Amino acid sequence: EAGVVQSPRYKIIEKKQPVAFWCNPISGHNTLYWYLQNLGQGPELLIRYENEEAVDDSQLPKDRFSAERLKGVDSTLKIQPAELGDSAVYLCASRGPGGNTGELFFGEGSRLTVL
Amino acid sequence: DAKTTQPNSMESNEEEPVHLPCNHSTISGTDYIHWYRQLPSQGPEYVIHGLTSNVNNRMASLAIAEDRKSSTLILHRATLRDAAVYYCILINNAGNMLTFGGGTRLMVKP
Repeated sequence: EAGVVQSPRYKIIEKKQPVAFWCNPISGHNTLYWYLQNLGQGPELLIRYENEEAVDDSQLPKDRFSAERLKGVDSTLKIQPAELGDSAVYLCASRGPGGNTGELFFGEGSRLTVL
Repeated sequence: DAKTTQPNSMESNEEEPVHLPCNHSTISGTDYIHWYRQLPSQGPEYVIHGLTSNVNNRMASLAIAEDRKSSTLILHRATLRDAAVYYCILINNAGNMLTFGGGTRLMVKP
């Protein structure tokens, strides 16, 4: 069974440019998370989806970040315009049914470098 | 929100057991304790989870204090491939995951 797939793995852009990351969760997983991870730190939640509904986006900087999961399957995270401080790894994770016992499955992440 | 506290780093010798502690003194009664680890350049991967009783799986054991305010991840025989950052996190009834925190960087010496 395929795991969580993210693309691109690496992206280098200049500041003020837009960038988008794509995530395909494990088939049948209704819950999808986007995390940001700065170097040497733990992942920080940006947004959580239950199917196509964003149920927790309180940590998403909405002035420049947006996310969508239109059909409740794959998801896109966009930054426009990117700033130097956005350089980080963007992780996507999914979870099947099971509430607080369900295991999270993470993708390998998309590493963004803003010059 | 309940938070977890872990040492920044720990060292172990290969083939020896490792005990990774985590404090979660404000844990709620229905919060599950989950452990994940992150190898270099990879996303975190699940290790183990529990509620009240100690748990064992093929990767590790989880010892949970009777008052649930702390837990310990036990690697019975550390290998070089166990060198990673280990995160202890809490997940509540609604499936909300609390923050990962900085985790514990485990270094394994040959």
